[in-house]
Amino acid sequence: DTEVTQTPKHLVMGMTNKKSLKCEQHMGHRAMYWYKQKAKKPPELMFVYSYEKLSINESVPSRFSPECPNSSLLNLHLHALQPEDSALYLCASSQAPGQGYGYTFGSGTRLTVV
Amino acid sequence: AQSVTQLDSQVPVFEEAPVELRCNYSSSVSVYLFWYVQYPNQGLQLLLKYLSGSTLVKGINGFEAEFNKSQTSFHLRKPSVHISDTAEYFCAAPNSGGYQKVTFGTGTKLQVIP
Repeated sequence: DTEVTQTPKHLVMGMTNKKSLKCEQHMGHRAMYWYKQKAKKPPELMFVYSYEKLSINESVPSRFSPECPNSSLLNLHLHALQPEDSALYLCASSQAPGQGYGYTFGSGTRLTVV
Repeated sequence: AQSVTQLDSQVPVFEEAPVELRCNYSSSVSVYLFWYVQYPNQGLQLLLKYLSGSTLVKGINGFEAEFNKSQTSFHLRKPSVHISDTAEYFCAAPNSGGYQKVTFGTGTKLQVIP
């Protein structure tokens, strides 16, 4: 298995809703990442998990809450989002945290906040 | 901090013609460089990476890139493009300020014309 699987593929939520994005990999990768990508822009790093511990939070608003229940799973809990949070949310993994490892990306969750 | 610059936001090229997508980097430390491709409505896929050694790096789908230290460049090339190569291409490098962070260039849209 060489994939990163993200669910759901599309999500529409109201500003008062609570929802979660899920990311799963079975490649034995020990680093996992959440990126946010707006249209026609490069991905922007949100969070890094290294060996299941949160190692980087790029000053992301608290309405985004990451969770890593085990080495294969990564969740992003969403609450009280704003319309400007609408974007493609990408999960990625790498063999280990380090400069030389390329990332394997999921196909993303396209989030629309109404 | 290391950064990458993609000078061309869009590159149109006729099918079966060669193409070069430009990427320049700035760094005073060890250099690791990556090229990713993003097809419409999908996540990113690693095309190739340079860590050390041979300056000519071959990747998937017939792409290759050449690391040029004197010109601080890592341009992506393909001798003959296909319609299916139409996509967004991102050059990327780890941020020397945080080894787990990867900075993406602004992207180059390759438009292959039939």
